[in-house]
Amino acid sequence: IAGITQAPTSQILAAGRRMTLRCTQDMRHNAMYWYRQDLGLGLRLIHYSNTAGTTGKGEVPDGYSVSRANTDDFPLTLASAVPSQTSVYFCASSQRGQETQYFGPGTRLLVL
Amino acid sequence: KQEVTQIPAALSVPEGENLVLNCSFTDSAIYNLQWFRQDPGKGLTSLLLIQSSQREQTSGRLNASLDKSSGRSTLYIAASQPGDSATYLCAPDNAGNMLTFGGGTRLMVKP
Repeated sequence: IAGITQAPTSQILAAGRRMTLRCTQDMRHNAMYWYRQDLGLGLRLIHYSNTAGTTGKGEVPDGYSVSRANTDDFPLTLASAVPSQTSVYFCASSQRGQETQYFGPGTRLLVL
Repeated sequence: KQEVTQIPAALSVPEGENLVLNCSFTDSAIYNLQWFRQDPGKGLTSLLLIQSSQREQTSGRLNASLDKSSGRSTLYIAASQPGDSATYLCAPDNAGNMLTFGGGTRLMVKP
């Protein structure tokens, strides 16, 4: 059982480029999340999805978009990357009613 | 807006010590509170989840307590081991799976 996989593991991106971070879970969890982790700021929620077909904004949604076409996948898109989006991005999932969140290994993104 | 503070920010102890990590939060209207462990360069691993109606939760050498009215939680680690070295994060949930994370306590257990 893989749990949550994220791709790519790391990426260097030129400012202005479009980038999609991939997240797939095999636990059939209905809720999924995207966080960014920055030194001194901790983990902050970007977007979430309580079930396939629905999404919501977290604390820092600007510059990011998500979609949830099915239960397993929750891609995060940066339409036009900026240097302030340099961060480590974590995807997580949980089963509504059980609340424990399970995290992926992260994607390290550097925007130059 | 929920704000979460973890004290101390860093801690270094010799192996075998019992230790307490502290977490305080400003908004006591929480559904639950989770404690996570993060190893360097890795994702987060859930350690314990305490529901708002519970006072404490135990898993092996770990015990987490919750005082919701005063906005505090503690994580107690018994008989610490070098393998416990990691960053520990607490995260109260105010809106049903909407976690707010503290800055973490970076723990080093020396052999």
